[in-house]
Amino acid sequence: GAVVSQHPSRVICKSGTSVKIECRSLDFQATTMFWYRQFPKQSLMLMATSNEGSKATYEQGVEKDKFLINHASLTLSTLTVTSAHPEDSSFYICSAQSHKGAYEQYFGPGTRLTVT
Amino acid sequence: GDSVTQMEGPVTLSEEAFLTINCTYTATGYPSLFWYVQYPGEGLQLLLKATKADDKGSNKGFEATYRKETTSFHLEKGSVQVSDSAVYFCALTRPSGGSYIPTFGRGTSLIVHP
Repeated sequence: GAVVSQHPSRVICKSGTSVKIECRSLDFQATTMFWYRQFPKQSLMLMATSNEGSKATYEQGVEKDKFLINHASLTLSTLTVTSAHPEDSSFYICSAQSHKGAYEQYFGPGTRLTVT
Repeated sequence: GDSVTQMEGPVTLSEEAFLTINCTYTATGYPSLFWYVQYPGEGLQLLLKATKADDKGSNKGFEATYRKETTSFHLEKGSVQVSDSAVYFCALTRPSGGSYIPTFGRGTSLIVHP
C-alpha cells in the first residue's frame, strides 16, 4: 500500500508555544488529506479535511484558529497547534486519501504531542 | 448522518481461537467498507476493503463480507495469533458532494494470549 510519513513522531513543548506537524504522502499524490486526534481508549476523532490548494474544512467543535492546516502541495499537509495547552496533549494522526477506487485512507504513524 | 457501530471490546482470546468482530453501518447509497488495524504505538493500516454488496475482502487470514441486507461487515479470522493483538476499526466512505469523507467506528481492542 501507499506510504505516508509523519514528522515528528514525538514532541514535547511548553504551554503557549506552537508546534507544527508534517504529513507527507511519499508515493502518490493526495488531493485530500485528513487530520485526526486519537483519545485514550482508542476513539478516533476527525478534526479536519485538508484539500490541496484550498482552505481546510473543520469538523464541528474544532477551533480553526488553534489548529492551522495547510495543504500547499499534493504530497504535504501540515497541522500547526498554536498556543498549545496541556489539554492539547494527544496522539495526532494524518491520512492521505486514495483518489481512485474505494477512496481508502493511508495513515501516517502518528505524532505524540505532550504540552507541559 | 452516516455511522459505524462496532462491538465494544476488549475481545480476549487464546491463540488459535476463532475471531469475530461485529460491525454494522448506517449510510445512504452505496458506501465502500473497510477494516483498519492499529498496532500499539502506530498509526492505522488498511487491512481489507469491499466496495459493493456481497464482495468479500480478505488479507492476512482476515475476511469480511459486505452484507447490504443486514448493513454489516463483520471481521473474521479462523485462527488468531498473538501478533494479531491490536485495535481494529471498521469504517465506511461514501461519496457526498464531490468528497469522500470517512466515518469510523470507535475501534475494538483484540488481545490474544499464548
